[in-house]
Amino acid sequence: DAGVIQSPRHEVTEMGQEVTLRCKPISGHNSLFWYRQTMMRGLELLIYFNNNVPIDDSGMPEDRFSAKMPNASFSTLKIQPSEPRDSAVYFCASSSGQGFYGYTFGSGTRLTVV
Amino acid sequence: QKEVEQNSGPLSVPEGAIASLNCTYSDRGSQSFFWYRQYSGKSPELIMFIYSNGDKEDGRFTAQLNKASQYVSLLIRDSQPSDSATYLCAVNMGNTDKLIFGTGTRLQVFP
Repeated sequence: DAGVIQSPRHEVTEMGQEVTLRCKPISGHNSLFWYRQTMMRGLELLIYFNNNVPIDDSGMPEDRFSAKMPNASFSTLKIQPSEPRDSAVYFCASSSGQGFYGYTFGSGTRLTVV
Repeated sequence: QKEVEQNSGPLSVPEGAIASLNCTYSDRGSQSFFWYRQYSGKSPELIMFIYSNGDKEDGRFTAQLNKASQYVSLLIRDSQPSDSATYLCAVNMGNTDKLIFGTGTRLQVFP
């Protein structure tokens, strides 16, 4: 199993640009989560999907953030326009619906907005 | 009050000692509890989960849960320098798969 795959691993962009982060969950997992990690705030849940449907987006900080899951094997997190305070590591995680035994995280995308 | 609280550390212990990491949570309805380890620059890795009051042992790791006191702990026996990492406590909220994480405790094991 290839695990949760995120791309890109690193992204440096200028303020005001659009940024798209991508995630492929583990095959067969039906829940997908987007987290943001900073030194100050730790791991924050942004949004999660169950069977491709957004269940809770209360953690999405602003309208500049949007997330989609068009099918069971792909999700995107988009920031438009990006700002320096969006600089963080963004993690995607997935879990199986067969009982809940925690998540498997992807390697993360380190985003720097200059 | 934060939903999940941990002491940020660093917690420094000598090699071979027992490291004790603690976590408190605010939601009395929480049902499941997780410990993740995160090495610097890496993603969190699940090491233990516990659902019932009491102790759960897995190798050198023991998770302890006290729902009455809303307290979870992780004991690492025979600590090794390779255990040096940040340990994240996570709590499952309600009847969902949603996990709320503490900010983590940094553990340093010195030779």
